[in-house]
Amino acid sequence: GAVVSQHPSRVICKSGTSVKIECRSLDFQATTMFWYRQFPKKSLMLMATSNEGSKATYEQGVEKDKFLINHASLTLSTLTVTSAHPEDSSFYICSAHSQPEVTDTQYFGPGTRLTVL
Amino acid sequence: GQNIDQPTEMTATEGAIVQINCTYQTSGFNGLFWYQQHAGEAPTFLSYNVLDGLEEKGRFSSFLSRSKGYSYLLLKELQMKDSASYLCAVKRGSTLGRLYFGRGTQLTVWP
Repeated sequence: GAVVSQHPSRVICKSGTSVKIECRSLDFQATTMFWYRQFPKKSLMLMATSNEGSKATYEQGVEKDKFLINHASLTLSTLTVTSAHPEDSSFYICSAHSQPEVTDTQYFGPGTRLTVL
Repeated sequence: GQNIDQPTEMTATEGAIVQINCTYQTSGFNGLFWYQQHAGEAPTFLSYNVLDGLEEKGRFSSFLSRSKGYSYLLLKELQMKDSASYLCAVKRGSTLGRLYFGRGTQLTVWP
């Protein structure tokens, strides 16, 4: 299957700082990527759809000014958590859609564990 | 919105068969996925159903009934490595539609 990477895998930051998380599709081009967050023992919650060359589409209840998404190329999307607070601590996972796939499969990155102190 | 429901936990023994159910209520339904997720790792794709019926893939099978808003994942010949969380996800909208996940079913396989 297609490979998606995320960087960093873990990050610890102080409250009030901003953190950038990268999501890359390594062996395919992805015009659309998705960002999810997951709390312990909870399921994935879709945050936003990242579209290459255009603005991201945010799900209801997700603050677009707090979670900045930039999809600068066909292989890279970034999520920046601005002015992070302890309640933003979570597991952030991206996924990318591989165009040739008939079943519209999304391939997930390994996730980024964010801890805000 | 969407309402996706699956059991929180299940247990089974090695070699057994287990069925994980998922019910959903959503608008714009356009397919149902099952993913496997080990603790601290990303979900991995298991199956996809968009039409009614059973899809078989090795030890894993998935069933969908669109009229009933119901799906199940069937795991046969269970192995210890199958202990994981199994996520039911509904796709809404167009070809590049968004996925909405249930809370996951934590399966524990005992020797």
